[in-house]
Amino acid sequence: DVKVTQSSRYLVKRTGEKVFLECVQDMDHENMFWYRQDPGLGLRLIYFSYDVKMKEKGDIPEGYSVSREKKERFSLILESASTNQTSMYLCASSYQGSWDNQPQHFGDGTRLSIL
Amino acid sequence: GNSVTQMEGPVTLSEEAFLTINCTYTATGYPSLFWYVQYPGEGLQLLLKATKADDKGSNKGFEATYRKETTSFHLEKGSVQVSDSAVYFCALIEGLGETSGSRLTFGEGTQLTVNP
Repeated sequence: DVKVTQSSRYLVKRTGEKVFLECVQDMDHENMFWYRQDPGLGLRLIYFSYDVKMKEKGDIPEGYSVSREKKERFSLILESASTNQTSMYLCASSYQGSWDNQPQHFGDGTRLSIL
Repeated sequence: GNSVTQMEGPVTLSEEAFLTINCTYTATGYPSLFWYVQYPGEGLQLLLKATKADDKGSNKGFEATYRKETTSFHLEKGSVQVSDSAVYFCALIEGLGETSGSRLTFGEGTQLTVNP
């Protein structure tokens, strides 16, 4: 079974802090994704990566950055946390095969609160 | 761009009732379509998928048919159980153009509560 592990289930940080959310997958997937989930808005893509050291902006990249130094690990960074970044963050990964047939596998999420 | 619209929730049903959650999409090409389910406190799990028109995806008693003519992918189950209580997301996948890989576009999610 594919395992996508997010480092924290719950995290509380203060405004202005630099925040790191870590995600590790154990299936040698090429693609990795970071989403945020907010009530009434569904999931919105922040950043994704299709290879080591490669990154692409999603729909809402402002205020975030990412790092992919190793294939199995994809980090989301909040450069200077703000209260509007309080949310549930979900990491996902998938194979880079036939693009229309590869499901994404999700971690359990990190509920981040910025005070 | 591509988009997915789901029926508004929350939906509350009694056990053994029939379930329909509507999903329609807008896409420039021929996307693949998915239903994901999120149980309380967990991440999303793939429930079923369909990759071309008239395909029917099915799993755990749930079904959805890819209807190109109506751009729809409605989720149905004949008899829901309390354990089906969760949030359901419709999604489509598109290629990334010059880059490889896949990118999902999600609907807003529909909260389903099934009472005994």
